[in-house]
Amino acid sequence: QKEVEQDPGPLSVPEGAIVSLNCTYSNSAFQYFMWYRQYSRKGPELLMYTYSSGNKEDGRFTAQVDKSSKYISLFIRDSQPSDSATYLCAMTSGTYKYIFGTGTRLKVLA
Amino acid sequence: DVKVTQSSRYLVKRTGEKVFLECVQDMDHENMFWYRQDPGLGLRLIYFSYDVKMKEKGDIPEGYSVSREKKERFSLILESASTNQTSMYLCASCEYRGMDSPLHFGNGTRLTVT
Repeated sequence: QKEVEQDPGPLSVPEGAIVSLNCTYSNSAFQYFMWYRQYSRKGPELLMYTYSSGNKEDGRFTAQVDKSSKYISLFIRDSQPSDSATYLCAMTSGTYKYIFGTGTRLKVLA
Repeated sequence: DVKVTQSSRYLVKRTGEKVFLECVQDMDHENMFWYRQDPGLGLRLIYFSYDVKMKEKGDIPEGYSVSREKKERFSLILESASTNQTSMYLCASCEYRGMDSPLHFGNGTRLTVT
């Protein structure tokens, strides 16, 4: 079993929709959680960084962590075609080992 | 804003060549990392460095070496390139020795070995 599971998609939504992206994990020691956006042929760009459980909001993006269920989510409100990319979740317990999901491809249709 | 710069976006090399991939960060970060990214396999850690001249092997160090002579610069070396090293190589850095800070990535080097 992988430490982090992420649905590869693709996930296709109409412009303006609310998008929900998710990762599940198995290691209860993970405390720091990240979401990255990666456009084709580019490096991952940090979107959100959260510590432990709870919600964090930044503009149209909300990151949610539920440590009891070992489940993290990224919500994108009012999705735009420019949000079309691959979204990676990542997490660490505070060591050098950052564990990444394999990414979900998102397509926002105009 | 943190800036991590990888010297080449695309490289084509022949089997057996020695290949250098260079990475520079401008935020005085303690830690630097090299990953490779392959479809279906995600990001895999090759090496990381927590200080000048210090390095630790990651999950897939075979066939690679690294050099960190200055804090801002971390180089990945393929001693004798092979076709199975064709991949996207990503350099990253993070601020704190305790790793409780997010990774910041460069734009990647797409290496093709023929």
